[in-house]
Amino acid sequence: DAGITQSPRYKITETGRQVTLMCHQTWSHSYMFWYRQDLGHGLRLIYYSAAADITDKGEVSDGYVVSRSKTENFPLTLESATRSQTSVYFCASRTSGVNYEQYFGPGTRLTVT
Amino acid sequence: AQSVAQPEDQVNVAEGNPLTVKCTYSVSGNPYLFWYVQYPNRGLQFLLKYITGDNLVKGSYGFEAEFNKSQTSFHLKKPSALVSDSALYFCAVRDSAGANNLFFGTGTRLTVIP
Repeated sequence: DAGITQSPRYKITETGRQVTLMCHQTWSHSYMFWYRQDLGHGLRLIYYSAAADITDKGEVSDGYVVSRSKTENFPLTLESATRSQTSVYFCASRTSGVNYEQYFGPGTRLTVT
Repeated sequence: AQSVAQPEDQVNVAEGNPLTVKCTYSVSGNPYLFWYVQYPNRGLQFLLKYITGDNLVKGSYGFEAEFNKSQTSFHLKKPSALVSDSALYFCAVRDSAGANNLFFGTGTRLTVIP
């Protein structure tokens, strides 16, 4: 199906482990984003990408790494997971036009124990 | 710097009554404003946006929003609430720099009481 998908949908990991969250979109959107959603904070931007091989930090990027070798994929890696990274992670994408509206994936609920 | 405030964490309204979810913003330049809705265990869904033009914007599922420049507000409204409207609502403003990503408010949980 066309759209934006995330995997896994749920993940439990231990402190210190490396975790990669996957995001895939079929629209060929130029821009892709990673957000985390925490109670009382709404959504906060972690990283974004304007195109393949172009990425930049957002508001809360410490402890996260991204890559974008292909337009359709935008994986997010937690290099050494901490309990403070327990959250719901959303991937989003949008076109390069002036609409600016973003389309969101279903989210990944990550628990770090 | 841009920011969005949603002053109410929770809004309760009776089914059939009009509903309003409040949002105020702070932005340099022309504001690009958005409303999204999130149902349980789902991603955010786009409802409507204001970029330019009429101050009253109509969107999905019968929702509309009124842009008020003097009050820097962008309140979400619906004339007659449905139980199925119960969800978490987010207001967002475009970042005028970089990738034009969105800055989100903290969300308002709407509960429509049968």
